[in-house]
Amino acid sequence: GQQVMQIPQYQHVQEGEDFTTYCNSSTTLSNIQWYKQRPGGHPVFLIQLVKSGEVKKQKRLTFQFGEAKKNSSLHITATQTTDVGTYFCAGLSNQFYFGTGTSLTVIP
Amino acid sequence: DVKVTQSSRYLVKRTGEKVFLECVQDMDHENMFWYRQDPGLGLRLIYFSYDVKMKEKGDIPEGYSVSREKKERFSLILESASTNQTSMYLCASSLGGLKDSNQPQHFGDGTRLSIL
Repeated sequence: GQQVMQIPQYQHVQEGEDFTTYCNSSTTLSNIQWYKQRPGGHPVFLIQLVKSGEVKKQKRLTFQFGEAKKNSSLHITATQTTDVGTYFCAGLSNQFYFGTGTSLTVIP
Repeated sequence: DVKVTQSSRYLVKRTGEKVFLECVQDMDHENMFWYRQDPGLGLRLIYFSYDVKMKEKGDIPEGYSVSREKKERFSLILESASTNQTSMYLCASSLGGLKDSNQPQHFGDGTRLSIL
């Protein structure tokens, strides 16, 4: 069954508000990757986290890997309409397990 | 830039038909993957391959088979299509092979398959 759960499933925010999506695994992960899928598009790789407690930033996006390497989060500061899409985490244990995704809508 | 090409964007087939979905990548990647994407379920791995003629079952292999005769091509086969296989199918590739399986995946545009 699904080993990586992601919450929330949907999030609507006003432009300028912050947004966070959380990823939780039932097993310890070797690494975690994050992908963004624009409406009508395919998933595009954003970043990979490998170390326990690792934090990485890409402009307004902050990615974090938990100390136990079982959870991760993506935080977007001051959302823009270009942030619209579905964000997936993908954790690697014996194979890659994609999370269920969080669909972000940004209201102008 | 990596290019992953799926043969059809949209496909409509009938129950019981044998269906072939083709995927080609142009970057000499060792790993190739087939996923299906359904609302609320995210991407679920059907099969993956880390080398020519090698294949591994993913989460949901039942009702599917795969073929990897050449490094650049990975085919997904629905042996006898059923309505519950109506879905978006995504192919992906990555560098590295089995021992280096943590590389980013590059996805094709997907095939929206409808089984009537």
